Amino acid sequence: EVQLLESGGGLVQPGGSLRLSCAASGFTFSSYAMTWVRQAPGKGLEWVSGFSGTGGSTYYADSVKGRFTISRDNSKNTLYLQMNSLRAEDTAVYYCAKGQGGYYYSPTDNWGQGTLVTVSS
Amino acid sequence: DIVMTQSPDSLAASLGERATINCKSSQSVLSNNKNYLTWYQQKPGQPPKLLIYWASTRESGVPDRFSGSGSGTDFTLTISSLLAEDVAVYYCQHYYSTPWTFGQGTKVEIK
Repeated sequence: EVQLLESGGGLVQPGGSLRLSCAASGFTFSSYAMTWVRQAPGKGLEWVSGFSGTGGSTYYADSVKGRFTISRDNSKNTLYLQMNSLRAEDTAVYYCAKGQGGYYYSPTDNWGQGTLVTVSS
Repeated sequence: DIVMTQSPDSLAASLGERATINCKSSQSVLSNNKNYLTWYQQKPGQPPKLLIYWASTRESGVPDRFSGSGSGTDFTLTISSLLAEDVAVYYCQHYYSTPWTFGQGTKVEIK
């Protein structure tokens, strides 16, 4: 059974940093594309960043480019999102999601429960 | 960026009735005979759940009352006979190019 468990969320001041983790199990992590999607309180879904399972390509939304960095440690079956220079508008539940294959442009078929990031003074 | 627009924003239907949600993309998401379009269901306090991918392929375990159709820029999610457990927000999303974008969501309720 595929499991994705996000952690690392919390309350941070504007301008601060957080690193989110997504521990994966139940599948061969290194072979699959992975994605971060966020959802502000009471709002819709917003794609944040992605990492292909093949070739090592990374992708970012313009709203986070230059501030967030996605990475993965295939030996630990873990996906990360390093978030710097956080802003109030980054407040959201952050979900990690698994692609159906290694190629990035494929559907995401499993999602974690999410971790809440609150940026506030 | 490709803009995804859903209609309606909300709908209320009686139990057993058909519910239809539309999704329009600002440019075609069709390539190599595949439409790069998914539908998700999200219930309160839960992550999104994949229902339909490649615009019309039902995910394993999803009841067959859910179906997806359309091509190019116009897509539809149909719930053929609404059940109480289908109350949720439904999102379309393209994965044709980055940034991936979602529709604004359609809230489905029971009348």
